[in-house]
Amino acid sequence: QQQVKQSPQSLIVQKGGISIINCAYENTAFDYFPWYQQFPGKGPALLIAIRPDVSEKKEGRFTISFNKSAKQFSLHIMDSQPGDSATYFCAASRDDKIIFGKGTRLHILP
Amino acid sequence: SAVISQKPSRDICQRGTSLTIQCQVDSQVTMMFWYRQQPGQSLTLIATANQGSEATYESGFVIDKFPISRPNLTFSTLTVSNMSPEDSSIYLCSVERDPSSYGYTFGSGTRLTVV
Repeated sequence: QQQVKQSPQSLIVQKGGISIINCAYENTAFDYFPWYQQFPGKGPALLIAIRPDVSEKKEGRFTISFNKSAKQFSLHIMDSQPGDSATYFCAASRDDKIIFGKGTRLHILP
Repeated sequence: SAVISQKPSRDICQRGTSLTIQCQVDSQVTMMFWYRQQPGQSLTLIATANQGSEATYESGFVIDKFPISRPNLTFSTLTVSNMSPEDSSIYLCSVERDPSSYGYTFGSGTRLTVV
C-alpha cells in the first residue's frame, strides 16, 4: 500500500495555541517524511522533515514527532499565529517517489 | 536547494485549446516531475521527465493529453491539450530530491482555469 493518511481535514486553533496534525503510513520502505506548507496561490514549500531513525525534530515553533513502530508521525505548531494559516501536507518518500497526504486546512483565529 | 521558476503563473483558457507550461531550474537535474493539484485536493503525480528519454506517465495520465518535453537538464514543458473545465487545476513542477537534505522543491505553480 502506498497511502499516507492525514487528519484532520481542517483545524481551527486559537492564536497562541498548539496545532497538531497527524499522519499514518503503511509502507515501511519510506525513508523520508516531509511536511509542506501551502498558501493560497502558491506551490507547496518544504517546512520540516524527518528521517525514520529520529523520533523527534524541532525547528523553531515546528516539531515533528515520529513513531516508527506505529508508522505514524505528527506535526506540532507551538504558539500558533495567524500567519500559520495555510494548508499543510504530510508526505512519505523513498528514492524519487513521494506520496502526499490529502492535506489539512489550518486556520488560526486572531 | 534548487530554485524553480514556472510560467505562466496563471491563465484562463477556452475549452478545446491547449496550454504549455514552462519549468526552469537554476541547476542541472536529472529528474523533473509534473504534478496536478485539483481544487482543494492533494498533489497527484502526472509524469516523470528525464532528459533524453520519453516521459513516464502515472496511471490515469496519457501522453496525448499531457505531452511533456525535456530538451535539457534545466528545462521542461508540460502541455495540457484539448482542455475541458475538468482540467482546471494548479500544475506544479518539481525536481529530484536534494542529495544533502532529501528535500523536494516545487515551483510556485500554474493556476489554470478552463472556461
